[in-house]
Amino acid sequence: DAGVIQSPRHEVTEMGQEVTLRCKPISGHNSLFWYRQTMMRGLELLIYFNNNVPIDDSGMPEDRFSAKMPNASFSTLKIQPSEPRDSAVYFCASSFERAFPPPREYFGPGTRLTVL
Amino acid sequence: QQQVKQSPQSLIVQKGGISIINCAYENTAFDYFPWYQQFPGKGPALLIAIRPDVSEKKEGRFTISFNKSAKQFSLHIMDSQPGDSATYFCAASIQGAQKLVFGQGTRLTINP
Repeated sequence: DAGVIQSPRHEVTEMGQEVTLRCKPISGHNSLFWYRQTMMRGLELLIYFNNNVPIDDSGMPEDRFSAKMPNASFSTLKIQPSEPRDSAVYFCASSFERAFPPPREYFGPGTRLTVL
Repeated sequence: QQQVKQSPQSLIVQKGGISIINCAYENTAFDYFPWYQQFPGKGPALLIAIRPDVSEKKEGRFTISFNKSAKQFSLHIMDSQPGDSATYFCAASIQGAQKLVFGQGTRLTINP
């Protein structure tokens, strides 16, 4: 059973470049989450989708960040232009909405982004 | 109100000892409290979870203790092993909400 798939696993880019991170959620899951993890700030929720619709994007740092979910099996997180402070590990997670038991988030392996 | 405060930030325990990680919350609407375990280079994975209608849940060497009146919950790892060395996150959510609120994480090291 394939878990959450993220690509690329590692990305090194220069400041000012556009970066696109990709995620394929677990088949049948209808919620998708993008997180950012840094030593200083821990695990931060950036945005989450339910049934392909963005529900809460209050964690998106600024307008340089955007996320899309064109269908149930694909999502992107784009940073344009990228800055060194965007360097972090970005995780995608998915879950299946159920009233009970509570939803369980399955995390992907993450994309380690380095902006020089 | 939406925060979950986790302590300590890092913890070193000898093999065979008990590891204890604590979390506190303010929002009384939280009704689901999972713990996630993250190994280096991997994404977090659900370890164990509890609802506030019970005070304790045990799965193998891992136990969650929950104190509803104090709005605190903790993870206890009995007979800690080097393989338990990881970062542990507590979290909380509100029934019906898809979003989890995570604590800051605790880096646990078990010395052999």
